Amino acid sequence: GDSVTQMEGPVTLSEEAFLTINCTYTATGYPSLFWYVQYPGEGLQLLLKATKADDKGSNKGFEATYRKETTSFHLEKGSVQVSDSAVYFCALGTSNTGKLIFGQGTTLQVKP
Amino acid sequence: DAGVIQSPRHEVTEMGQEVTLRCKPISGHNSLFWYRQTMMRGLELLIYFNNNVPIDDSGMPEDRFSAKMPNASFSTLKIQPSEPRDSAVYFCASSLGVREKLFFGSGTQLSVL
Repeated sequence: GDSVTQMEGPVTLSEEAFLTINCTYTATGYPSLFWYVQYPGEGLQLLLKATKADDKGSNKGFEATYRKETTSFHLEKGSVQVSDSAVYFCALGTSNTGKLIFGQGTTLQVKP
Repeated sequence: DAGVIQSPRHEVTEMGQEVTLRCKPISGHNSLFWYRQTMMRGLELLIYFNNNVPIDDSGMPEDRFSAKMPNASFSTLKIQPSEPRDSAVYFCASSLGVREKLFFGSGTQLSVL
C-alpha cells in the first residue's frame, strides 16, 4: 500500500545551520506530496506542497522538490531559526481519495 | 473563518466511560478527517467523510470507536467503553476535497485513567 518514510529524529541544529529532513514515499499512480508542521500544543499546518514530478514547493524559506525517479520529497532550509523548532510531517495524497498518508514525523530542535 | 473547531480541548475520564469528541469543520469544506496521534504510532487516520458520507473507516481500531457526521457542519467521534490505551491526541481536519490541503483543529487531548 501507499506509505511515507521519514528520517528519524530528533534533529538538533544550531541557529543558522542548514536543514535537511529526508522523506521517501511508495505510491501507485501520481500522488501529491506535502510537508506539514506542528508547533507545540497545536494542530498540523500545511508548510508546502507539490502536485507533480519536478515541482518545487516553497514557503517561509523551506523548499522541497518532488523527485519521481528517487520517490523522494526532502525538506530543506538554508538557515534555520529557533522559531523553526517543531515536528515536521511528510505526507502524500492519492488522486483517488481525499485522504493523506503521513510519515512518522521528525522533531527539529534549533538551539540559539 | 474560525478554522476547524474541536471540543473539548482536554478530556480526562475513567476506564469504561463513554467519551464523545466533537468537530466543526470549516464552512464549505466537503471532506472531514479524524486522526489520532500518539508517541508510539505517530499520526493515524481513523476515518474520513466526503459530503457527510463515511468513505474509509479502515483505521478505526475496533468496534468501541464510532464516528458520525449528521450534517456538513458537525461530526462526532465516540469511544464506548474507553480504555487507557485510547489516551492520545485526537485531531479533526477538513478540506475542500481531493488533493487539497487539510486544515487541522487544535486537537483533543484524551486521558483515560
